[in-house]
Amino acid sequence: DTGVSQNPRHKITKRGQNVTFRCDPISEHNRLYWYRQTLGQGPEFLTYFQNEAQLEKSRLLSDRFSAERPKGSFSTLEIQRTEQGDSAMYLCASSSQKKPSELFFGSGTQLSVL
Amino acid sequence: AQSVSQHNHHVILSEAASLELGCNYSYGGTVNLFWYVQYPGQHLQLLLKYFSGDPLVKGIKGFEAEFIKSKFSFNLRKPSVQWSDTAEYFCAVNAGNNNAGNMLTFGGGTRLMVKP
Repeated sequence: DTGVSQNPRHKITKRGQNVTFRCDPISEHNRLYWYRQTLGQGPEFLTYFQNEAQLEKSRLLSDRFSAERPKGSFSTLEIQRTEQGDSAMYLCASSSQKKPSELFFGSGTQLSVL
Repeated sequence: AQSVSQHNHHVILSEAASLELGCNYSYGGTVNLFWYVQYPGQHLQLLLKYFSGDPLVKGIKGFEAEFIKSKFSFNLRKPSVQWSDTAEYFCAVNAGNNNAGNMLTFGGGTRLMVKP
């Protein structure tokens, strides 16, 4: 299965620590999205890349959050100085140039900040 | 800005019952509409989508949805549910302009439990 891959699946960290998540999209997909999902809520958009360019960022993405997609393939999402409110499932999705509106999601990284 | 409302947070049905999950959206322009499903322990999967044309769209596993533009609704239906349909269902919308980022706006989800 060559779907969207996210690592790690789970991350437990202490408040104040930095964490980094990785997303490998479907290989031919040029668009990559990060979403956040908290318990009982639908996913909320964080940011979006087309190739290596970060084209859109949500107001949810505070200065402590940074995302990169240096070569237009995999992406990383870093959270600095984590807070308990950052605890959530972080989802990555990708879509192709032919069908940009059809997003394929990964299984997510569950972050718990203690 | 777009918003999506799913009015039923939890639904419990017996097998063979009919299902209808409500979804209403708020957006002034052309939209694309989606239903995603998340089975326990699995990732979000696309169930069906509407871009244009016939407002009644059919998806996988016997699901269908009807776009009613005048009501800003895109309700999901299935005539006869199975235990394996137990999952969380998310309605989503994005702007129908492919020049946009195609960011999806999701509803809060509906948890469906089907009793055997």
